Amino acid sequence: NAGVTQTPKFQVLKTGQSMTLQCAQDMNHNSMYWYRQDPGMGLRLIYYSASEGTTDKGEVPNGYNVSRLNKREFSLRLESAAPSQTSVYFCASASGWGNTIYFGEGSWLTVV
Amino acid sequence: AQRVTQPEKLLSVFKGAPVELKCNYSYSGSPELFWYVQYSRQRLQLLLRHISRESIKGFTADLNKGETSFHLKKPFAQEEDSAMYYCALKEGSSNTGKLIFGQGTTLQVKP
Repeated sequence: NAGVTQTPKFQVLKTGQSMTLQCAQDMNHNSMYWYRQDPGMGLRLIYYSASEGTTDKGEVPNGYNVSRLNKREFSLRLESAAPSQTSVYFCASASGWGNTIYFGEGSWLTVV
Repeated sequence: AQRVTQPEKLLSVFKGAPVELKCNYSYSGSPELFWYVQYSRQRLQLLLRHISRESIKGFTADLNKGETSFHLKKPFAQEEDSAMYYCALKEGSSNTGKLIFGQGTTLQVKP
């Protein structure tokens, strides 16, 4: 029972490099999310996708782009990484309104 | 604006002591609130939600609309309760299930 799977688990980038975080869920959920977790800040929503084919900005979208490739997959791209994007990134999914959100295991990203 | 506040970054108690993790929210409508827990090096997982009015792992949380609070309580803490706890508020106007999280409280249960 995989649930929400995200890759890579760890990544070190140099400032200005680009990378994509991959996320897939096998629960047939409509909604998917990307959060970042920073000490003292809790989890902040970067982008979300309410359904296949739609994406919307969350609280902290600057410096990121997303793609909802299909119902299963929701990727997060950093076009030009900055040290401020050093964080732990969590992908999550939910079947929709009012339902439990399930999280991936997290991706630790360091930008030097 | 909708907001969730967890005033304590760290709560340290001894095993067997009562625990109360505080959560206050700001929301004009009828809130839907959750507690999520993250054990060391594990993914966040739902601990409980107020509409279920259930007790999970001995934890309970009661919604107090007058005080706009949703504190998490356990009468006798166990060492395995040590974790990061997040209070979350579902964004009421959307049907996307988006959550607004508090800053998190680390619970440390000492032997």
